[in-house]
Amino acid sequence: SYVLTQPPSVSVAPGKTASITCGGDNIGTKSVHWYQQKPGQAPMVVVYDDTGRPSGIPERFSGSNSGNTATLTFSRAEAGDEADYYCQVWDSSSNHYVFGTGTKVTVL
Amino acid sequence: QVQLVESQGGVVQPGKSLRLSCVASGFTFSSYAMHWVRQAPGKGLEWVAVISHEGGIKDYAESVQGRFTISRDNSKNTLFLEMRSLRPDDTAIYYCARDDRSYIGLGPMTHWGQGTLVTVSS
Repeated sequence: SYVLTQPPSVSVAPGKTASITCGGDNIGTKSVHWYQQKPGQAPMVVVYDDTGRPSGIPERFSGSNSGNTATLTFSRAEAGDEADYYCQVWDSSSNHYVFGTGTKVTVL
Repeated sequence: QVQLVESQGGVVQPGKSLRLSCVASGFTFSSYAMHWVRQAPGKGLEWVAVISHEGGIKDYAESVQGRFTISRDNSKNTLFLEMRSLRPDDTAIYYCARDDRSYIGLGPMTHWGQGTLVTVSS
């Protein structure tokens, strides 16, 4: 089955830029979506189709995808960005949806 | 606005069954594929099942294949998850989520319910 690997945690100072990676075999050939989940809340999509940004999501959030790694980047980090972040793809070989292992972001 | 409201979960004994429902409003339910996603306590997200907009195509995670059944009633804007032969490792918050597209495939899950806790324990 297809596996997506993320770093367990990322720390960023307020006002700085953070990046979260999502590794998968030839992930660059797939559409990657990113979700933010704050404690006690349901997930919400922050980036879709590698680089798309839903309405209401700040321009600070951006995505990229190439080769074996997709990346979510957010600039000018704020305390409100503290959350768990998950990447997700659809694996056409199995018709299954796959979530990454998740990354806990701390702003300090 | 889009709303997804899951039914109450609860505590169920191992080997027993439970049916979850998710009532949708604020959009044309019959136009979108729908998912169930779960999250065990303190763990990450796990996709469980998906159903296409008209209900003709369904797919399941290997961990629930043969035990869980996803279905929908478009006349009642309701999504279901029938869970049988429940095991302790099925304990999780179960979310229903709306896909961005009608068919199974590339779309993100753009809207989520608040989730319902299912605990499998004797």
